[in-house]
Amino acid sequence: KQEVTQIPAALSVPEGENLVLNCSFTDSAIYNLQWFRQDPGKGLTSLLLIQSSQREQTSGRLNASLDKSSGRSTLYIAASQPGDSATYLCAALSRETSGSRLTFGEGTQLTVNP
Amino acid sequence: NAGVMQNPRHLVRRRGQEARLRCSPMKGHSHVYWYRQLPEEGLKFMVYLQKENIIDESGMPKERFSAEFPKEGPSILRIQQVVRGDSAAYFCASSPISLTWDTQYFGPGTRLTVL
Repeated sequence: KQEVTQIPAALSVPEGENLVLNCSFTDSAIYNLQWFRQDPGKGLTSLLLIQSSQREQTSGRLNASLDKSSGRSTLYIAASQPGDSATYLCAALSRETSGSRLTFGEGTQLTVNP
Repeated sequence: NAGVMQNPRHLVRRRGQEARLRCSPMKGHSHVYWYRQLPEEGLKFMVYLQKENIIDESGMPKERFSAEFPKEGPSILRIQQVVRGDSAAYFCASSPISLTWDTQYFGPGTRLTVL
């Protein structure tokens, strides 16, 4: 059974800092891994999706990497801004479930201070 | 193209009442997923539906919970005889094809409070 863990649970940084969020998963048999952003009281916004055959994806100041052999993914945020403050969720789409659902980590709550 | 719509956004029920949560997927999407987020916890899968079919309901409690996605109209998540432990945010997501190549698009959620 797939389990996804995210560390740290919370992170507070000053504006402009580069930061890394970590995600680990127990079952490397995945179709893809995704990073989402959740703002308080709102739904989830997909940030990056990495297929199992890929090593990384980039979008603007965000870069996500995937290492299936070690069961790890990282989300790198460059030059952080107060608007980046949100909860970041990592989710794996596992082959064991025939791709029917995502398994989420509990998230990292990020605060970027002006 | 409007996003995934959920209503109501907030729902208050007393113990023993029924809760009906609605989800309208994005236009052209025929796959719907329901997730539950309990306070201070991550999102947990509940059920995956296609039009008129339940594909995977392995994450749904065996009693009191049911889901449907009729040929016409929104998907409905129904919780009968609600208890305080049902208080959570319920998110619906949709996708146009299977998840192996595309992401899910999430709605804003329905926040259920059971008094």
